[in-house]
Amino acid sequence: DGGITQSPKYLFRKEGQNVTLSCEQNLNHDAMYWYRQDPGQGLRLIYYSQIVNDFQKGDIAEGYSVSREKKESFPLTVTSAQKNPTAFYLCASSIRDRGQDDQPQHFGDGTRLSIL
Amino acid sequence: AQSVTQLGSHVSVSEGALVLLRCNYSSSVPPYLFWYVQYPNQGLQLLLKYTSAATLVKGINGFEAEFKKSETSFHLTKPSAHMSDAAEYFCAVSDDSSASKIIFGSGTRLSIRP
Repeated sequence: DGGITQSPKYLFRKEGQNVTLSCEQNLNHDAMYWYRQDPGQGLRLIYYSQIVNDFQKGDIAEGYSVSREKKESFPLTVTSAQKNPTAFYLCASSIRDRGQDDQPQHFGDGTRLSIL
Repeated sequence: AQSVTQLGSHVSVSEGALVLLRCNYSSSVPPYLFWYVQYPNQGLQLLLKYTSAATLVKGINGFEAEFKKSETSFHLTKPSAHMSDAAEYFCAVSDDSSASKIIFGSGTRLSIRP
């Protein structure tokens, strides 16, 4: 079955450490997204990519970095510059050019990041 | 700029009662509107979407939503709540068919009382 796989499901980080969250999709989608979810704040867009080797900052990109070397993969690095990284991180994907009847973004099951 | 406002961060209903989750949107262009559901420690699943084809939209699990332009609303309803409906629900808006930017509301947590 096609879908989006995020790993690991739970991740712990020490102060000053960079960590990378994995997101892989086998839906053949062009566009991929990273969101951060905090209680009571909904989802906020960190980065998105509409095509391989290209990506754009979202609303809260500071302290994060991404790469898009392959269509299937869009890893997110949480750097030590991100002062409050504890959150639930969601990866999503979508077909780049859609008609009105196509589905919007598909989501993975998320990675919960905590600071030790 | 687009935005969505979900009224009530937490709604509690009895099993078998009507579920009503409120969503109001702001958009300068005809919007695409969505409702997603999230179960604990999982991603979001699409419940239903409005893309101007019909104002009353039926989704999965017995949910439906009505687009009311005059009220800028897209409230989610279900006639009879089930225990399995307990989850967080997100209303979202997009202004283009590519869905490259979807703006999510802050979410409403639905609890079901036995």
